[in-house]
Amino acid sequence: KNEVEQSPQNLTAQEGEFITINCSYSVGISALHWLQQHPGGGIVSLFMLSSGKKKHGRLIATINIQEKHSSLHITASHPRDSAVYICAVTGNTDKLIFGTGTRLQVFP
Amino acid sequence: KAGVTQTPRYLIKTRGQQVTLSCSPISGHRSVSWYQQTPGQGLQFLFEYFSETQRNKGNFPGRFSGRQFSNSRSEMNVSTLELGDSALYLCASSLMAGTGELFFGEGSRLTVL
Repeated sequence: KNEVEQSPQNLTAQEGEFITINCSYSVGISALHWLQQHPGGGIVSLFMLSSGKKKHGRLIATINIQEKHSSLHITASHPRDSAVYICAVTGNTDKLIFGTGTRLQVFP
Repeated sequence: KAGVTQTPRYLIKTRGQQVTLSCSPISGHRSVSWYQQTPGQGLQFLFEYFSETQRNKGNFPGRFSGRQFSNSRSEMNVSTLELGDSALYLCASSLMAGTGELFFGEGSRLTVL
């Protein structure tokens, strides 16, 4: 079993829909990262959080430390949100452990 | 402010050769970490350097090595290349070691023939 599990693996949405991507982890962590990767490879860090909730524009990330679970929400989705979203945790040894990613496609 | 710069962006090598990849972090960032991304294994942590010292190493064979210079620029080297080393190699820089926000480069895509 992977130490970081994401669901769903693939997600298709219509423009304007509310999207949720989930991440569960089984190790102790000091931080959780949400990353976005567009075709071509470049990765952008969306959020780094260790508790509570953060919001940037249409993106919201939450984390529940007790339940070892985090969610990434996208409100009013847009085709430019199409990308792979990756959850990663900084474990207690400070090594980054990645989930397998969620491929999101948003159609107009 | 310039971002993280990786060179070269693309390269092709043959089995048995060695390769050196370079990563220039954002100015002022002292932590550089390296990652391998393949279709089969996804993203995996290779190693992290902070102030010229290796802080952490992932589960990769000794053929994978790295170093960091006094200006925080980092290089990673893979010796005796194997077909399975074909991957996108990404580096990221951060202000702090361990839990700092990460800023990724565009990656170096290595193909081993």
